Amino acid sequence: EVVLTQSPGTLSLSPGETATLSCRTSEIVSSSYIAWHQQRSGQAPRLVIYDASSRATGIPDRFSGSGSGTDFSLTISGLEAEDSAVYYCHFYGSSPITFGQGTRLEVK
Amino acid sequence: QVQLVESGGGVVQPGRSLRLSCVASGFTFSPYSIYAFHWVRQAPGKGLEWVAVISYDGNQKYYADSVKGRFTLSRDSSRTTLYLQMNSLRVEDTAVYYCARGPSLYDYFDFWGQGTLVTVSS
Repeated sequence: EVVLTQSPGTLSLSPGETATLSCRTSEIVSSSYIAWHQQRSGQAPRLVIYDASSRATGIPDRFSGSGSGTDFSLTISGLEAEDSAVYYCHFYGSSPITFGQGTRLEVK
Repeated sequence: QVQLVESGGGVVQPGRSLRLSCVASGFTFSPYSIYAFHWVRQAPGKGLEWVAVISYDGNQKYYADSVKGRFTLSRDSSRTTLYLQMNSLRVEDTAVYYCARGPSLYDYFDFWGQGTLVTVSS
């Protein structure tokens, strides 16, 4: 099983700043199998990034993903209040599919 | 637009059963489409936990160890409705259950449903 460890647990930033969220895998994985999902309070998750660096439909270009091997990151530039959410990284290359524990981003 | 609508959640006693449904709409199931459908759950105040996946043709099914032998996936002949039969429910199965679509079996989840809450309590 590929274990995903996200850091930091919570990130508090101001509007306009840049957030960098980290996801480390327990073994080397292909970047083709890492995604990021956003979950706002009381809502279902929504795909943000897939294949490590491809933006999902409708996601603004303020969101970018990168990484390889065991280290992946999600960067959100020009933060807006609506970016406040929990962000989960997601490995989908084999069974069992796994998620990180989440990073809570607060923008205020 | 793509929609996934879950139903069937509720309050159930430990050891009992419940069947969840997920109706998919807004996209075409062609003979060449290979969408897979997953169930992912989220216990109150916790993170996401993958539960199970069924392939486009229903021939491949995989389960998390935590539910293997208790939960069973199926889909109807039109492939538009997905079912999760949950038997021998435990208190720790309490969660919001989400249905999610993947473009293929081992792929990202491009759409999620809104979820249905299952509460296992005596």
